[in-house]
Amino acid sequence: AQSVTQLGSHVSVSEGALVLLRCNYSSSVPPYLFWYVQYPNQGLQLLLKYTSAATLVKGINDFEAEFKKSETSFHLTKPSAHMSDAAEYFCAVSGGNQGGKLIFGQGTELSVKP
Amino acid sequence: DTAVSQTPKYLVTQMGNDKSIKCEQNLGHDTMYWYKQDSKKFLKIMFSYNNKELIINETVPNRFSPKSPDKAHLNLHINSLELGDSAVYFCASSPRGAYNYNEQFFGPGTRLTVL
Repeated sequence: AQSVTQLGSHVSVSEGALVLLRCNYSSSVPPYLFWYVQYPNQGLQLLLKYTSAATLVKGINDFEAEFKKSETSFHLTKPSAHMSDAAEYFCAVSGGNQGGKLIFGQGTELSVKP
Repeated sequence: DTAVSQTPKYLVTQMGNDKSIKCEQNLGHDTMYWYKQDSKKFLKIMFSYNNKELIINETVPNRFSPKSPDKAHLNLHINSLELGDSAVYFCASSPRGAYNYNEQFFGPGTRLTVL
């Protein structure tokens, strides 16, 4: 079975500050990990994904995430927050004989203060 | 040139009614999904089709019936709507079959409100 836990349902940062959104996963098979962003009243957009190549993954809009097997983590970071980063962020896992389905975390709402 | 489109965007209906949500993708993908996002924004897979064949059927009430007339379309029909069906329903697609490492492309969602 697979699961994802996102620590913190709401994170608030100042514009220009570091963004850190935490994601821990549980998987009995080698996982594939994804971060998606959802802007208000929109669908989900992929930020980045880990597919067992490089452990440090770079995505769109200067986001990156590091896969740490020993810590079962896949935290999302961005060096400098912009107002436009305010959105809901979802970490997801897939793997094994799951038919490609994504198991999502609970989501973290990111607020950016001017 | 929308990649994954859903209709309608909003759907308001009475309990007990039957309704359908349509999804179309023009990406040439083989696999399509339906996800449900509840009021707490939690997303959960409902169904998946690969080349018109059902491959994932989570524990969803049998009032929900997906239909895939071709690999570019996956519709969701809901019978006897209940208050608890109120949610945002997302369609998604992914390329090259149901491989776990493939990115899924999401539609804009259909907000269903059952009164």
